[in-house]
Order: sequence, then C-alpha cells, then structure tokens
Amino acid sequence: AQSVTQLGSHVSVSEGALVLLRCNYSSSVPPYLFWYVQYPNQGLQLLLKYTSAATLVKGINGFEAEFKKSETSFHLTKPSAHMSDAAEYFCAVSDQRYYQGGKLIFGQGTELSVKP
Amino acid sequence: EAGVTQFPSHSVIEKGQTVTLRCDPISGHDNLYWYRRVMGKEIKFLLHFVKESKQDESGMPNNRFLAERTGGTYSTLKVQPAELEDSGVYFCASSQSVQRLTVQETQYFGPGTRLLVL
Repeated sequence: AQSVTQLGSHVSVSEGALVLLRCNYSSSVPPYLFWYVQYPNQGLQLLLKYTSAATLVKGINGFEAEFKKSETSFHLTKPSAHMSDAAEYFCAVSDQRYYQGGKLIFGQGTELSVKP
Repeated sequence: EAGVTQFPSHSVIEKGQTVTLRCDPISGHDNLYWYRRVMGKEIKFLLHFVKESKQDESGMPNNRFLAERTGGTYSTLKVQPAELEDSGVYFCASSQSVQRLTVQETQYFGPGTRLLVL
C-alpha cells in the first residue's frame, strides 16, 4: 500500500534561514508526489508536484523539492524563510495503482513557524 | 476562473442531527473528491466522482455518510445521523479529466467545511 511519512509535526526556523521539510513515501509503482500548503483559515494550495519528469521540481514562492528514488524521499526546501511562509505543509502521493486520477494519500502535515 | 467553493464554511450541530455539505467544483472538472481531516490526524480520502458516477468510495466511514453528484456538477455530502467522531474539516477537490495515461492532473482544493458535532 502507498503511504507518506512527514518527519516532524512542527518545525521552527528563523527568518532568512533554510527551510527543510522532510517527506518519505512508499509506493509500489512510480509515484506522483505533491506538496500542498495550508495558510490559516484557507484551503490547500498546490506548491509543486513531481510527475516523473525532472527530479528537481520548482514550485511557487521560492520552494523546491527533489525526488530521490534511492531514498524514497521528496523533501521540500526553501533557501531563505519569510514570515509569510508560516503555514502547515502536506506531502501527498497519488494512488495510481488502478487508474489515473486516483486519490491523494497525505502525510500527517508539518506546521512551519518562522521566528523574526 | 472561480476556484472550488464549499458551503457552509462552518457548521455546529448536535449529535443525532443531519448535516449536508455542498461542494461546487471548478467549471469543467469531471473529477470531484471528498476528503476529511479529523483533529490531529492526517487528511483522508472519502470518495471520488467522475462526472456523476462514483469511481471510488473506499474511504467512506460508514452508511451514515451519503454523497451525491447529480448531473455531474456540484456535489453534496450528507451525514445522518451525525456522531461526535464526525467532527473535523471536510475538503472537496476537483481536477480535469485525464487526457493521457501518463498525466496526473492536479487536484484543486476548496477552503473546507469545519464541522463540529456536540
């Protein structure tokens, strides 16, 4: 069965510091992977997605993620944190076992705090 | 282009009552998904419509939950009767039809409905 594990339910960084949010996946087929962000009182917004093209994926707001098959990882990074990055971040894998357009399987979420 | 909309944004009901949540997907999106996040847990899939047909309802918790998508446009999710454990945030998402087998269309999420059962 496919699954996603996000290491760390809470991550705190200083403004200007590197942001690293960890995500490991388990999938029996080549995965499609996603990072979503949820700002307070808002819905989920797509940050970026990996769909078997380039292994380094660039997303919105300066975020990027690297797909590493050997490590089954898809960690999210941003070189310099901004106060506006404070939000909850979700890693997800698409269930492609039976058909395209399948459900998303989410990790537990990581709450990012940014200190001034 | 309007995004996915959900109504109501919040609902507080008593145990045993009925609640109906509504989702309007992005115009032209054939795929519609319902997800739920219970407090402190991960977001979990409930079901998937392709147009008006249920493609996958493996995540529906029990028969107190009924989802419909008449006409293949908006969808409703009814909980009857509601129980305390049904409290959480219910998200709806939509995506376009899959044009090629190698493509995974992005799911666009609504703001969610926050349901509290007392």
